[in-house]
Amino acid sequence: QPVLTQPPSSSASPGESARLTCTLPTDINVGDYNIYWYQQKPGSPPSYLLYYSDSDKGRGSGVPSRFSGSKDASANTGILLISGLQSEDEAVYYCMIWPSDGSHVIFGGGTKLTVL
Amino acid sequence: EVQLVESGGGLVQPGGSLRLSCAASGFTFRTSWMHWVRQVPGKGPVWVSRINTDGSITTYADSVKGRFTISRDNAKNTLYLQMNSLRAEDTALYYCARVEYGIYDYWGQGTLVTVSS
Repeated sequence: QPVLTQPPSSSASPGESARLTCTLPTDINVGDYNIYWYQQKPGSPPSYLLYYSDSDKGRGSGVPSRFSGSKDASANTGILLISGLQSEDEAVYYCMIWPSDGSHVIFGGGTKLTVL
Repeated sequence: EVQLVESGGGLVQPGGSLRLSCAASGFTFRTSWMHWVRQVPGKGPVWVSRINTDGSITTYADSVKGRFTISRDNAKNTLYLQMNSLRAEDTALYYCARVEYGIYDYWGQGTLVTVSS
């Protein structure tokens, strides 16, 4: 059962960019997975943002282009980049993968993003 | 408008049972794979169970296998989770969610389950 590691917190100022990471365990290769990202605000369920794979990507309906995904293969990490930060981006962000058997999903522990 | 409305949560003693329901509307429920996901406040979501469109395929997290049963009634557009032998560690907010092309695109607001004596 892989564990996805996310830093518990991150902060940036309005207008700046935030780079949130999701590190996969060493026994699995980030290149083999789509990385999904969800945003959760207090009192609400998670909301789909986007996914990123080496061959494809997709943003959810209504998700601004300020949100984008990438990978750092050398660090075995998925990345969510949020540019032009706005106060409404303050939330907890979760990464998610579908392990190879496709029968279940794994979520990361989440990163709380503070927009100062 | 898409709606997923969970109900059935509450306070139950260890060893007790609860049956959660999730009423769906605004999308074609009978052709949708459905999942239950739970979340302890302040922690990440944890996948619990899934069911295919006609109920013939069900899968469970190891932590609930043998205690929880997922089911659905497509005529009533309703998803269920029967939870038996509840433990303190089952305490969480339980969400039902639809999966389409690997994405959880619709979520309910959740129903809170508290297992405590």
